[in-house]
Amino acid sequence: DTEVTQTPKHLVMGMTNKKSLKCEQHMGHRAMYWYKQKAKKPPELMFVYSYEKLSINESVPSRFSPECPNSSLLNLHLHALQPEDSALYLCASSQLARGYEQFFGPGTRLTVL
Amino acid sequence: SQQGEEDPQALSIQEGENATMNCSYKTSINNLQWYRQNSGRGLVHLILIRSNEREKHSGRLRVTLDTSKKSSSLLITASRAADTASYFCATDARRGGSEKLVFGKGTKLTVNP
Repeated sequence: DTEVTQTPKHLVMGMTNKKSLKCEQHMGHRAMYWYKQKAKKPPELMFVYSYEKLSINESVPSRFSPECPNSSLLNLHLHALQPEDSALYLCASSQLARGYEQFFGPGTRLTVL
Repeated sequence: SQQGEEDPQALSIQEGENATMNCSYKTSINNLQWYRQNSGRGLVHLILIRSNEREKHSGRLRVTLDTSKKSSSLLITASRAADTASYFCATDARRGGSEKLVFGKGTKLTVNP
């Protein structure tokens, strides 16, 4: 199985809502990533988990809270988001956190009203 | 600032023609990767080329790397309409024990049937 899955595909939420994005891989990869991508822009790294521990946080606002419950799962908890947080959120995984290709999920299209 | 910068920003060709995209970067790298993204979808890894490699092939794809000029090129031969997508180069930046991929702005390729 060489697939990274993400749920939901689309999410619309109000600024007071709490929601979560979910990412799953079963390739035995030990590094997982969250990216944010605005329209017509490249992906921007948000978080890196290596061996289920947070290793990089790119100064992301605390309204985004990542969680890695186990080596196959990665969550992104969302709370009190702003309309400018509307974007495509991409999850990726790689064998290790250095020197390997990254496998991306299809993304969650988030709209904050 | 962006590590990688693609050139051109947009490219439109006819089916059967070759497409060449260039990427320049600013600092030393361990490897450079190319990814493809169809509109609004996740990224697909194409090729990873390490700093001690000069050229790599994969099917209709040919990637070159010139570390002295800090540049790379992606050549797609005999293009097809299905190659229509955005193409990003990504360079590695070490952060502690993990690697951060920094994506260039991308080249939007349109292959006309």
